[in-house]
Amino acid sequence: KAGVTQTPRYLIKTRGQQVTLSCSPISGHRSVSWYQQTPGQGLQFLFEYFSETQRNKGNFPGRFSGRQFSNSRSEMNVSTLELGDSALYLCASSLDWGQSPAYEQYFGPGTRLTVT
Amino acid sequence: EDQVTQSPEALRLQEGESSSLNCSYTVSGLRGLFWYRQDPGKGPEFLFTLYSAGEEKEKERLKATLTKKESFLHITAPKPEDSATYLCAVLTGNQFYFGTGTSLTVIP
Repeated sequence: KAGVTQTPRYLIKTRGQQVTLSCSPISGHRSVSWYQQTPGQGLQFLFEYFSETQRNKGNFPGRFSGRQFSNSRSEMNVSTLELGDSALYLCASSLDWGQSPAYEQYFGPGTRLTVT
Repeated sequence: EDQVTQSPEALRLQEGESSSLNCSYTVSGLRGLFWYRQDPGKGPEFLFTLYSAGEEKEKERLKATLTKKESFLHITAPKPEDSATYLCAVLTGNQFYFGTGTSLTVIP
C-alpha cells in the first residue's frame, strides 16, 4: 500500500507571497492532518480534515488555511508569508480520529518551506 | 493546559547499552499515547499506540509502557541504526500534542 505523499518536497518563497502544499493520504484514509515542525517548537498541529470538512483546528493565524477534496487529497495554503513560516510542513493521514484503533497517524515526508 | 514533555533532549549510548526515554504528559481526557521515530529529513514513522495505564507494546529492541502520568520507551541493546529522534504524542478530545523529542545517538 502506498504511503502518504506530499508535493512539492522543497519550496523557496519570498516574504509576502503565498504558497500551496499538497498531500495525498494512504488509500482508504479519510482523515488528513497538517503539522508545522520547527527546531524550537517541535510539531505543532495546524488543522484536521475529515470528509471534506475541517473538523479540528490548532492555534495558528487565519493566514493558514486548508481544504480537502472528495478523494481525501488535501491542500494547505499559507498567504502573506513571513520569515517565521519557514518550517517543515508535515501531512498525516489516518482512518479516522474518532475511533480506536483508527487514531494512528501515518506521516508523509514533508515539504520544506524556506521564506526569504 | 495540555502539555507533553520528553526527556532527555539528547542521549548518547554505546552500542548494546540499554536505556529509557521518558514522556510525561498533563492532559485532560487521554485517548491515546503514541511513539514515533523520525530520521533526519523524513516524516515521523509510527511505532506504537498505548491506550491505558499498564499497557505495554514491544517491537524488536523497543518496548513502550504507559502509566497515568508518563510513558517510557525502553531500548534494549541498541544498535547504530536505532539512532534517530523519538517523538511522543498524546491525543486528547480533538487534538494531538507532540513533545519536542529525544535525539538518540548510538555509537558503534
